[in-house]
Amino acid sequence: QVQLQESGPGLVKPSETLSLTCTVSGGSIGGYYWSWIRQPPGKGLEWIGYIYYTGGTIYNPSLRRRVSLSLDMSKNQFSLSLKSVTAADTAFYYCARDRSVRVAGEFDPWGQGMLVTVSS
Amino acid sequence: EIELTQSPGTLSLSPGERASLSCRASQTISGSHLAWYQQKPGQAPRLLIYGASSRASGIPDRISGSGSGTDFTLTISGLEPEDFAVYYCQQSGSTPWTFGQGTKVEVK
Repeated sequence: QVQLQESGPGLVKPSETLSLTCTVSGGSIGGYYWSWIRQPPGKGLEWIGYIYYTGGTIYNPSLRRRVSLSLDMSKNQFSLSLKSVTAADTAFYYCARDRSVRVAGEFDPWGQGMLVTVSS
Repeated sequence: EIELTQSPGTLSLSPGERASLSCRASQTISGSHLAWYQQKPGQAPRLLIYGASSRASGIPDRISGSGSGTDFTLTISGLEPEDFAVYYCQQSGSTPWTFGQGTKVEVK
């Protein structure tokens, strides 16, 4: 059974870069789309973007200028980088895989999520 | 960008009752790429329904999805204690993929 686990700093200073990694266990990164999704505390969900196992990416236009996704197949990991953060970027950050190799955008499974707080 | 509007914001029901949650899109969702998720406090969302009406693995048949075009519905026939949670719809017909604002199903 595939499991995902987010890791990285839980506190980032304003104007700095938020960097998170998602480690995939129980399966390979190959064949799937891999997404990042965030949720400010007490609020709704926002899709950040995806990276395909070949390295292709699509980002949410609302974050495109600040976000970058990458993957390392040798480590079975993919990563999120969000630069120039502000307090508005404080959120739970989730990594997720698509349910099927044939259809993109149906998220299953998810990581447990990680709270990242932007504060000085 | 496709906007998804969920209604009602909160649904107050008793165990055993039927819940009907609505998700309306600002434009037609191609291929009925509409999914539903359940989220409980302190947990990640869980996929319930994909393709508007297909149940994800392990989801009980009291949970069902329907609809096409711009109007979609999640129905829970006979609420169990574990069904009280927040539910989100999400479209993947076109990027950016977007979520509705959520419907909270609470105990009356």
